[in-house]
Amino acid sequence: KAGVTQTPRYLIKTRGQQVTLSCSPISGHRSVSWYQQTPGQGLQFLFEYFSETQRNKGNFPGRFSGRQFSNSRSEMNVSTLELGDSALYLCASSQDRAKGDEQFFGPGTRLTVL
Amino acid sequence: GENVEQHPSTLSVQEGDSAVIKCTYSDSASNYFPWYKQELGKGPQLIIDIRSNVGEKKDQRIAVTLNKTAKHFSLHITETQPEDSAVYFCAAKSWNQGGKLIFGQGTELSVKP
Repeated sequence: KAGVTQTPRYLIKTRGQQVTLSCSPISGHRSVSWYQQTPGQGLQFLFEYFSETQRNKGNFPGRFSGRQFSNSRSEMNVSTLELGDSALYLCASSQDRAKGDEQFFGPGTRLTVL
Repeated sequence: GENVEQHPSTLSVQEGDSAVIKCTYSDSASNYFPWYKQELGKGPQLIIDIRSNVGEKKDQRIAVTLNKTAKHFSLHITETQPEDSAVYFCAAKSWNQGGKLIFGQGTELSVKP
């Protein structure tokens, strides 16, 4: 099976712009979670989507949003970018809760905000 | 909410030695504890996990132990090799919090040849 894929792998934006990141989960996985990874804060949970519905949300401002499509692919959007949004954004997929807890991560999208 | 503390933040060992990384968690309802290995430029890779109904799990050179009473769990790597050098993260999942994973701050392991 192919693993979790994320596009693009690298992105450079300027303050005030917006960005959309994409994640394709492992085939058959219906849950997609997003994390922000920074040297100072580690891995922070952003949100989780399951069957096109947001099922869980972390403590991030409303500038961070996401969605999931019927094929389980997910996108996250960050509007009005700030310098502090520079981070590695990771997506992880898993099967339905009832079938297992394991989450598998993609390679991440490295976002740099100038 | 859940809080996961991980120690040490850096660990340097000689090739062939053992390495131990420890994590504590705060939510007694947490019931799933995975460990991830992250190499430079890559996403975290699940290397082993343990559920709350098990005290120990082993996979070749890697083992994880869980003490539910003390609310801590540990990763043990034996016969370390240079390719074990990476950042290791522990995590805890509590369905009381919607099932999200809460991660420790990571341990940078360096195995010197």
